[in-house]
Amino acid sequence: GDSVTQMEGPVTLSEEAFLTINCTYTATGYPSLFWYVQYPGEGLQLLLKATKADDKGSNKGFEATYRKETTSFHLEKGSVQVSDSAVYFCALIKAAGNKLTFGGGTRVLVKP
Amino acid sequence: DTGVSQDPRHKITKRGQNVTFRCDPISEHNRLYWYRQTLGQGPEFLTYFQNEAQLEKSRLLSDRFSAERPKGSFSTLEIQRTEQGDSAMYLCASSSGTDHEKLFFGSGTQLSVL
Repeated sequence: GDSVTQMEGPVTLSEEAFLTINCTYTATGYPSLFWYVQYPGEGLQLLLKATKADDKGSNKGFEATYRKETTSFHLEKGSVQVSDSAVYFCALIKAAGNKLTFGGGTRVLVKP
Repeated sequence: DTGVSQDPRHKITKRGQNVTFRCDPISEHNRLYWYRQTLGQGPEFLTYFQNEAQLEKSRLLSDRFSAERPKGSFSTLEIQRTEQGDSAMYLCASSSGTDHEKLFFGSGTQLSVL
């Protein structure tokens, strides 16, 4: 079946550091790929998405590129802030599908 | 607040009791989803409605679980004869027909079965 694997956390960084969270997936066909973020005490929010190979999703300084050849969708941010402390989830949905398949989440803690 | 709302936020119950959760989606969204999330894990799909029709159910949804969306607006998720393994965060999400891949999640109902 479909699956998403992402690096385990927690990831602890200093402010202004570079952040990478690895995500790889297994799925048939051409899924759409997503990053969701969960801030403390809040619901999951869509951070960015990419719907086909080589697409780059971006939002709030975060970027991720859909790499079909490596089945990856790594999340990056060049300079993190304390406010980026959250749990980040990589997810996929199959073409014409109705359900998101999530990875296990990566907790990120940014220290001032 | 026009987001997805869930009630209650927390529920503590004894094993064997029945519980019901409610979800109010964003008003113009015709798709509604239930997910379950256990500590340290990503959300797992339970079931999906388009309007009032329940179109997909996960094998995780045993016969003790039932979900309804009677008028295509709010939804309820009932768990009968709760077990300790049912303890989890139950998340509701909704999406529109025009961008069904963009899900809006509620803050969830945290269930603790003692």
